[in-house]
Amino acid sequence: AQSVTQLDSHVSVSEGTPVLLRCNYSSSYSPSLFWYVQHPNKGLQLLLKYTSAATLVKGINGFEAEFKKSETSFHLTKPSAHMSDAAEYFCVVSDLRSGGYQKVTFGTGTKLQVIP
Amino acid sequence: DVKVTQSSRYLVKRTGEKVFLECVQDMDHENMFWYRQDPGLGLRLIYFSYDVKMKEKGDIPEGYSVSREKKERFSLILESASTNQTSMYLCASSLRPSGIGGEQFFGPGTRLTVL
Repeated sequence: AQSVTQLDSHVSVSEGTPVLLRCNYSSSYSPSLFWYVQHPNKGLQLLLKYTSAATLVKGINGFEAEFKKSETSFHLTKPSAHMSDAAEYFCVVSDLRSGGYQKVTFGTGTKLQVIP
Repeated sequence: DVKVTQSSRYLVKRTGEKVFLECVQDMDHENMFWYRQDPGLGLRLIYFSYDVKMKEKGDIPEGYSVSREKKERFSLILESASTNQTSMYLCASSLRPSGIGGEQFFGPGTRLTVL
């Protein structure tokens, strides 16, 4: 079975403090994992992806995520939040099934609020 | 840059109407997807297609159908629109990966209101 759980629907941080958005996944295959960001009234943009190479993945805008197989987690972090980071973040699991098609499941999203 | 375009940004339709949402990608991607996005529910997969004329049901296909006659175009059809289909609809495409899941590229979305 494939599933994604984003543990917090809302996270609020002060500008300049660290960000932690939590994601746990389940997959019967060797999954790829992604984080996407959606700013208000904008399309989804890829932040970073894990595809079985290095377990610590660096993305755009200073974000990074660590793949921990033993914990089935892929948490997103940033050392210092900026006002421009206020957005909704989606964790995504993807695996390749027989027949060559891609099974994808999105988490329900975490809204990040950054307080000045 | 990959570009995924959707035919309308906003659409208002009446209950019972047949609705067509069009999506076009310009990067020769094999895979195309239709999602709907609702507050608190994230993105839910309606249908996807991994080749021309091929389609697979996603998690919530009821009330929808799709068509993929050309590689670059993937259409979502609401056979008889209902108010519970009011939502944001997102199209995405990805390259067929060689053993790993590929990054999806998203269109800007169509906000559909069914009255």
